[in-house]
Amino acid sequence: DARVTQTPRHKVTEMGQEVTMRCQPILGHNTVFWYRQTMMQGLELLAYFRNRAPLDDSGMPKDRFSAEMPDATLATLKIQPSEPRDSAVYFCASGPRLAALTDTQYFGPGTRLTVL
Amino acid sequence: AQSVTQLGSHVSVSEGALVLLRCNYSSSVPPYLFWYVQYPNQGLQLLLKYTSAATLVKGINGFEAEFKKSETSFHLTKPSAHMSDAAEYFCAVSGSGNTGKLIFGQGTTLQVKP
Repeated sequence: DARVTQTPRHKVTEMGQEVTMRCQPILGHNTVFWYRQTMMQGLELLAYFRNRAPLDDSGMPKDRFSAEMPDATLATLKIQPSEPRDSAVYFCASGPRLAALTDTQYFGPGTRLTVL
Repeated sequence: AQSVTQLGSHVSVSEGALVLLRCNYSSSVPPYLFWYVQYPNQGLQLLLKYTSAATLVKGINGFEAEFKKSETSFHLTKPSAHMSDAAEYFCAVSGSGNTGKLIFGQGTTLQVKP
């Protein structure tokens, strides 16, 4: 049963520290999305990639967030420096085809980040 | 630009009662619409999607949704609620540009009372 995996599942850190979240998309999927979920803002799209190239990262605070895909099996989301307002659940999702309007996105279990 | 509006952030039903979760969309092009469900402490998973093949779409766990162009709606229904249906439900529409990007609504939390 192919699944999107995310590590770590939980992360507690102090303000100012660097945080790296990792995602392994489903093998063969070539679109990857990063979302942030909070009670106040709901589900927000931060960035997405197609064939490892960033298509849109306009949802990310550029000064502190960065997203990359070093290879087809790994996507990373980094926050440096982290702030308490970054506390949220971060989801990665992958999609199976080259940018199809009817693609299903497959979500990972999320990383719950708490910044103290 | 595409957008979705989910009417009601919280819906409460009794076990065995009809479930109706409302979603209205706005789209400048023919829309592709989705319902996702999120169980506590889990990621989202697809319930069903409308891809223009049929206006009544059946999904997993007994859910279905009907696309009504005249009403710009895609409401989610289930004839009889089960305790295990308690979750958060998200309606989404495909973004423009054939990117695979989804525009999500704010979500509706479904509570099922015994």
